[in-house]
Amino acid sequence: EAQVTQNPRYLITVTGKKLTVTCSQNMNHEYMSWYRQDPGLGLRQIYYSMNVEVTDKGDVPEGYKVSRKEKRNFPLILESPSPNQTSLYFCASSPRGGNSYEQYFGPGTRLTVT
Amino acid sequence: AQKVTQAQTEISVVEKEDVTLDCVYETRDTTYYLFWYKQPPSGELVFLIRRNSFDEQNEISGRYSWNFQKSTSSFNFTITASQVVDSAVYFCALRTGFQKLVFGTGTRLLVSP
Repeated sequence: EAQVTQNPRYLITVTGKKLTVTCSQNMNHEYMSWYRQDPGLGLRQIYYSMNVEVTDKGDVPEGYKVSRKEKRNFPLILESPSPNQTSLYFCASSPRGGNSYEQYFGPGTRLTVT
Repeated sequence: AQKVTQAQTEISVVEKEDVTLDCVYETRDTTYYLFWYKQPPSGELVFLIRRNSFDEQNEISGRYSWNFQKSTSSFNFTITASQVVDSAVYFCALRTGFQKLVFGTGTRLLVSP
């Protein structure tokens, strides 16, 4: 089954404790992206990757890191989480560089930082 | 800059009523794509429709229909004969270059029996 998976789905952590949210897709998509969803703000892009070893900042990159060492994986790293990073996070992928293709979203990761 | 406005924060209807969700977008690009996504209470994002800037034909899919009007920069979504299962948050989104999706803030639709 073609899908985007994220782990963990739910995470409660404390301020300053490094964490990684994994994202993996099995559709051989070049493009991958991370979004965060906050009440009243919709979804905002954090980082995106056009292909392996090619990443760039989105609208709200502060406090996050990403890497793209393999085509299928695009982990989101929070080196020192803070409470303002409490949010619902979505990973997405799409097949190529053209902007016509809809993005396939993972199930979401709900992160709470206390 | 790209922007999507969904002015309706929340809409409440009774089952079988028709409801229209508004979406107004801003972009200077001549080539762009518009999307609607549904987010049910379970939280996942479900793709509903994509429309490119060169195709202003309205589209109907079952009880769902979409009205794209470039003259008013709007891409409105109508649900006919709403059902309780339609209760969700609906997002309109715009994509121009580099595949970045710009989302509206969403409209929460509550359909009561």
